[in-house]
Amino acid sequence: DAGITQSPRYKITETGRQVTLMCHQTWSHSYMFWYRQDLGHGLRLIYYSAAADITDKGEVPDGYVVSRSKTENFPLTLESATRSQTSVYFCASRAGQGEKLFFGSGTQLSVL
Amino acid sequence: GENVEQHPSTLSVQEGDSAVIKCTYSDSASNYFPWYKQELGKRPQLIIDIRSNVGEKKDQRIAVTLNKTAKHFSLHITETQPEDSAVYFCAASIAGNEKLTFGTGTRLTIIP
Repeated sequence: DAGITQSPRYKITETGRQVTLMCHQTWSHSYMFWYRQDLGHGLRLIYYSAAADITDKGEVPDGYVVSRSKTENFPLTLESATRSQTSVYFCASRAGQGEKLFFGSGTQLSVL
Repeated sequence: GENVEQHPSTLSVQEGDSAVIKCTYSDSASNYFPWYKQELGKRPQLIIDIRSNVGEKKDQRIAVTLNKTAKHFSLHITETQPEDSAVYFCAASIAGNEKLTFGTGTRLTIIP
């Protein structure tokens, strides 16, 4: 849905570089999430946020940093990119617990 | 935390036949079970969901069944069509928890 957008759509970077993936939603959803998708692993949760200034680790948080200074934005930063972080990254949001989860269009990241 | 297992990982069916994908979950406190469809290069999109107070839910050609005692739920697609070819993900959410845990996905191929 157009209500949640990610940028960039594609990104190529080199090992050791810092990379930030952007996520913006217009629904004022409280909850936002970052997932990575890898073949054979499905969708794994990296970090999530219940509200502005509240973030928590998911299943695979190592090497990632998030912030949420505003409700509508939830950027994901790879502080020093590694090849193992080559993946497709999906941002998602939901209004509340037990509510439907909506995904952004994804960012395909390649770390060379 | 919650663990979701999904089977099979790949499934091929003749057009017009039915397809069934099964998931099991580990935490009896889970109460929300959505299914997502992901077409090639696209974002996952919700196709149907069920809550623990319901045993079955239908929407046209798709249905989901839930067995709380056995802690498993299944997606049923009848009269399959070529456009049903995609990767399907099940997920589970524990009551009071905003996180969704996903299965590893099933690649469904409809053979014309």
